[in-house]
Amino acid sequence: DAKTTQPTSMDCAEGRAANLPCNHSTISGNEYVYWYRQIHSQGPQYIIHGLKNNETNEMASLIITEDRKSSTLILPHATLRDTAVYYCIVRVAFSGSTGKLIFGQGTTLQVKP
Amino acid sequence: NAGVTQTPKFQVLKTGQSMTLQCAQDMNHNSMYWYRQDPGMGLRLIYYSASEGTTDKGEVPNGYNVSRLNKREFSLRLESAAPSQTSVYFCASIPVDRSYGYTFGSGTRLTVV
Repeated sequence: DAKTTQPTSMDCAEGRAANLPCNHSTISGNEYVYWYRQIHSQGPQYIIHGLKNNETNEMASLIITEDRKSSTLILPHATLRDTAVYYCIVRVAFSGSTGKLIFGQGTTLQVKP
Repeated sequence: NAGVTQTPKFQVLKTGQSMTLQCAQDMNHNSMYWYRQDPGMGLRLIYYSASEGTTDKGEVPNGYNVSRLNKREFSLRLESAAPSQTSVYFCASIPVDRSYGYTFGSGTRLTVV
């Protein structure tokens, strides 16, 4: 699985968009980008994933560059409850794979009033 | 509610004692995983089970054993607990098509004294 690099920490004002970057320059063609978050030592929560097209769901948007070497998770209107550690993970997704997730250190996002 | 259930939520062991952490999911997922998380660290994979009847080692399997009892249940056993195994343990599962990512349990907080 490709390695990812994320900033250690970021701040965001409440109500503003939070943009969390992730570099994955060694990503392979069949590897997906996954985002999870962990609030207060709870179990990690799945946010979104994508292959090469931009994706959006009720929680967030995922923007993947055309060369797929980096991506950005966007929380459009951050709230205090979005304060968490955000993990960007790159791996092969579908059948035939063992499905392992390798977590790095993640980005600690602090949403401030 | 559908999800991943872990028991117990908290446990204190003396060095050398044994115990089994239980995990059950009711989402008919094929693959199940055990992770540990030490303070200030990301998650590290201990063992996983890609399907019923199979188990494989992850990054940090030493000192642990697992049993995939059936499709629903995946237990983690510490045969002789050591202080280095003090951690928060998370169980996770994922469906075959991996369409919406992993579902994690709420964790077991284990202290070995």
